[in-house]
Amino acid sequence: NAGVTQTPKFRILKIGQSMTLQCTQDMNHNYMYWYRQDPGMGLKLIYYSVGAGITDKGEVPNGYNVSRSTTEDFPLRLELAAPSQTSVYFCASRRSGNEKLFFGSGTQLSVL
Amino acid sequence: ELKVEQNPLFLSMQEGKNYTIYCNYSTTSDRLYWYRQDPGKSLESLFVLLSNGAVKQEGRLMASLDTKARLSTLHITAAVHDLSATYFCAVDTTNSGYALNFGKGTSLLVTP
Repeated sequence: NAGVTQTPKFRILKIGQSMTLQCTQDMNHNYMYWYRQDPGMGLKLIYYSVGAGITDKGEVPNGYNVSRSTTEDFPLRLELAAPSQTSVYFCASRRSGNEKLFFGSGTQLSVL
Repeated sequence: ELKVEQNPLFLSMQEGKNYTIYCNYSTTSDRLYWYRQDPGKSLESLFVLLSNGAVKQEGRLMASLDTKARLSTLHITAAVHDLSATYFCAVDTTNSGYALNFGKGTSLLVTP
């Protein structure tokens, strides 16, 4: 099993550009999440999804959008990139509420 | 708002010594998770603790959960250099699609 796959691994954006971070999982998990990790700050929840067609905002959703058209895919869209969005982004999934979270390998994004 | 606090945030210890990392959380929960992150890497699940009094051990690491005190501990026995990493504890949120709420992490450095 590939688990949770994220692309790209690294990206540099100019202020105002847009991009989509891809995330796909092959474990048939209903629950999927996007987190961002800033140095010394732990992980902050951006958006989450409890199944195909259902998404909702997390703690820090401003400047981002998501969609969940299939169980497998949960892309994160950045519109009008800002330097404050420089971070490492992790996609994660889990089967249910009492099981561990599986993480992708992360995307390191710099906005200059 | 659920808060998860870890201490210490930084820990330098000698090989062969024992130490404990503490994780306090602010709301009732009987599910707590420990993760390890190596520099530049993703998060790897270490332990899933699902009830009061749960204790799990893997090699030189042992985790426990006291839901009444809202406290989990990660005990390191006879530390070795390979344990150098950042350790995160996390608690299930009751909303946000069972997203995990993470502490800021404990950066552990084991020196000769």
